[in-house]
Amino acid sequence: GAVVSQHPSWVICKSGTSVKIECRSLDFQATTMFWYRQFPKQSLMLMATSNEGSKATYEQGVEKDKFLINHASLTLSTLTVTSAHPEDSSFYICSAYSGISYNSPLHFGNGTRLTVT
Amino acid sequence: GESVGLHLPTLSVQEGDNSIINCAYSNSASDYFIWYKQESGKGPQFIIDIRSNMDKRQGQRVTVLLNKTVKHLSLQIAATQPGDSAVYFCAESTSGSRLTFGEGTQLTVNP
Repeated sequence: GAVVSQHPSWVICKSGTSVKIECRSLDFQATTMFWYRQFPKQSLMLMATSNEGSKATYEQGVEKDKFLINHASLTLSTLTVTSAHPEDSSFYICSAYSGISYNSPLHFGNGTRLTVT
Repeated sequence: GESVGLHLPTLSVQEGDNSIINCAYSNSASDYFIWYKQESGKGPQFIIDIRSNMDKRQGQRVTVLLNKTVKHLSLQIAATQPGDSAVYFCAESTSGSRLTFGEGTQLTVNP
């Protein structure tokens, strides 16, 4: 089945530094990938839609200059949390459609636990 | 805005029993629904999906029921096992749009 790989699985960084998270589709090409954030005991909140070869589309309230998204190829999207602060500590999850239609399952990576100290 | 919600935040069942997890959605234009299972510290795992032109779909030990009249979705798990313990999310979308997730139900299976 379709596999989405996310790296790293966890990261601890100091306040003010930047962290890059990678999301790869391993056995399919993904023109669109999605980045979610999940706080403890809460649901997934969509942050942005990452489009291969073009700018990402951010959800309302998500700072595009703080959460930089790059989708340089059909199998890789990256999320960079710039100047991280403790309130950015969360579980970040990427996903991609395995099919060409939105009416096909969305597959998720295993998430990245970010802790900002 | 439109959202998908769940009736119960937690559900506790005995091993071997059947589990039913419910979900209410409010967007009548939604035409695609998915159930995901999320174990602690992991990303959501696809369980089963259903399109709005169907009212029932079965998988291995799981069945999804869709009632468009009352905008209700349910996930039935047969012979629930300890490995089924997780948080279950329903999600909905309208053709060409992004997924909207419900709040999640924590299923606990007691041995």
